[in-house]
Amino acid sequence: EQQVQQSPASLVLQEGENAELQCSFSIFTNQVQWFYQRPGGRLVSLLYNPSGTKQSGRLTSTTVIKERRSSLHISSSQITDSGTYLCAMEDNNAPRFGAGTKLTVKP
Amino acid sequence: NAGVIQTPRHKVTGKGQEATLWCEPISGHSAVFWYRQTIVQGLEFLTYFRNQAPIDDSGMPKERFSAQMPNQSHSTLKIQSTQPQDSAVYLCASSLLGGQDTQYFGPGTRLLVL
Repeated sequence: EQQVQQSPASLVLQEGENAELQCSFSIFTNQVQWFYQRPGGRLVSLLYNPSGTKQSGRLTSTTVIKERRSSLHISSSQITDSGTYLCAMEDNNAPRFGAGTKLTVKP
Repeated sequence: NAGVIQTPRHKVTGKGQEATLWCEPISGHSAVFWYRQTIVQGLEFLTYFRNQAPIDDSGMPKERFSAQMPNQSHSTLKIQSTQPQDSAVYLCASSLLGGQDTQYFGPGTRLLVL
């Protein structure tokens, strides 16, 4: 069973457009993180958001525990935002990752 | 601060050989995580140490895989009798407090089993 579902699987935007990435969980969790990975690059933690809304620069994450979902909003996308965005939840100390959303931002 | 260090960066082994992967967490971090990443399966959790003690190894294949953290400055992941399906990028991450904290990832070790 896939415990973390992400959508869309891929997303293509024009530079300047906003992106909305979704993550849903098979269980209730209050341990949610969003990560970013450039092709061939390291995984980087973007936001740790157990509940509510958290913002970091152009990134805004909203986690609704009772609905078992979290979203990541990227405003005014830039070409350098291209890469894969992963969300993760914690299940009994063990982090479980989604398959990711591959974002491509075109000029 | 060099971040999480993983060695080697690339490793090629023949089927049936042993592979040992090394991870040096960020100094002062109490938690170390091991993951495996493939195109097909994505990112899979393997095991987790906190203060050198194994906390959760539910993601580790029961045979051939083992992980240790003999001191706070390094952890090893050992794969015995490697198989082609073990080919993957193995990632190590550390965090200051544990699962409820930001994880910092290493560059990974790309293992290829021929």
